[in-house]
Amino acid sequence: QVQLVESGGGLVKPGGSLRLSCAASGFTFSDYYMSWIRQAPGKGLEWVSYISSSGSTIYYADSVKGRFTISRDNAKNSLYLQMNSLRAEDTAVYYCARDGDTAMVWGNYFDYWGQGTLVTVSS
Amino acid sequence: SYELTQPPSVSVSPGQTARITCSGDALPKQYAYWYQQKPGQAPVLVIYKDSERPSGIPERFSGSSSGTTVTLTISGVQAEDEADYYCQSADSSGTYFGGGTKLTVL
Repeated sequence: QVQLVESGGGLVKPGGSLRLSCAASGFTFSDYYMSWIRQAPGKGLEWVSYISSSGSTIYYADSVKGRFTISRDNAKNSLYLQMNSLRAEDTAVYYCARDGDTAMVWGNYFDYWGQGTLVTVSS
Repeated sequence: SYELTQPPSVSVSPGQTARITCSGDALPKQYAYWYQQKPGQAPVLVIYKDSERPSGIPERFSGSSSGTTVTLTISGVQAEDEADYYCQSADSSGTYFGGGTKLTVL
């Protein structure tokens, strides 16, 4: 069965960095676009970034552009999010999610989600 | 940036029909999707491509689209349907979620 397991969250000071990982299993990882989505405590969902199946196409939300970097290693079935210059407003649970339709390159849905990893930015 | 507007809350009694709307200017041109999220859990896809239901999702969940508004309908609401529901769509700049609707089963 499809599994997505995030790790790497924790407490970090403003201006600091953190790298999140997402280990995928149960499907052919290299066939699928993947995304990161976050949810601040008590708030709604916010799409953060997505990466194409080969890694050649990447998009970011304006709120993280220039600070976050998404990447993937298809040989390791893993997705990553490097987060730099972290701010208090980046505090959230970060989910990795699989883009559900391999034929869609934009505006896709998320058919599987990990359990999330909490990132707290505070001094 | 693009906005998807949902009502903050909807309340229904068990067995009744709940309708949750989502409005956005790009909805006539882009698919809409719906997610259910229960406290402490990751979201679960309940409707994709406006009206398609993933396997394993009960038939009481359905989706429809009309102009700039999409609607998630839950027929014969059960206590276990109490949750937050989010719509999602996209425009040329990114992917967006609605603010979420808390469904309360009275």
